[in-house]
Amino acid sequence: QQQVKQSPQSLIVQKGGISIINCAYENTAFDYFPWYQQFPGKGPALLIAIRPDVSEKKEGRFTISFNKSAKQFSLHIMDSQPGDSATYFCAAISPYFGNEKLTFGTGTRLTIIP
Amino acid sequence: DGGITQSPKYLFRKEGQNVTLSCEQNLNHDAMYWYRQDPGQGLRLIYYSQIVNDFQKGDIAEGYSVSREKKESFPLTVTSAQKNPTAFYLCASSIAQGAGELFFGEGSRLTVL
Repeated sequence: QQQVKQSPQSLIVQKGGISIINCAYENTAFDYFPWYQQFPGKGPALLIAIRPDVSEKKEGRFTISFNKSAKQFSLHIMDSQPGDSATYFCAAISPYFGNEKLTFGTGTRLTIIP
Repeated sequence: DGGITQSPKYLFRKEGQNVTLSCEQNLNHDAMYWYRQDPGQGLRLIYYSQIVNDFQKGDIAEGYSVSREKKESFPLTVTSAQKNPTAFYLCASSIAQGAGELFFGEGSRLTVL
């Protein structure tokens, strides 16, 4: 129940295209869903996050879509650029689940090609 | 600038040796974490601490030890009991336990020869 399943494991998108990464969860007590971006040799950094009371959140070229009934959420990167090449992690947390720590997906390595 | 500082960035160790990775934060955060990252396995939690002098095991604590004597510091010792210690280790902090935003350091890459 604590798992967050992320797909695909790797993704190649042409410059200017849309990158889409999907995550699914089981624990309905999760109430905060962040996405982290990690460049090679660096630590992850928070990119964008959503709570389940909204179905979409947009920040610049990055959008999270959230489907509460399906227990799925996804990251869309519009007009993908080579600088977006990184590993992306979805995550989830519930402050009511007991030990209150983030559960991470396994990551998606995104490569944007010219 | 506030942030998390991890050292060393690269470390080589012979089998059978213990090694300690340093993590210092000046964000005045209460909670600190250690993660291990291996290719294709995402981020796995080793230990976390909600407050000074208190810490809990994460999902893969065997072969590791930590201490939290100061709010700013959360060192991780990789002991000789850890069977496969070669990995990228990440330290993180959050304002409090249960916060969804973690601030990560730049990591320490440990290679066992």
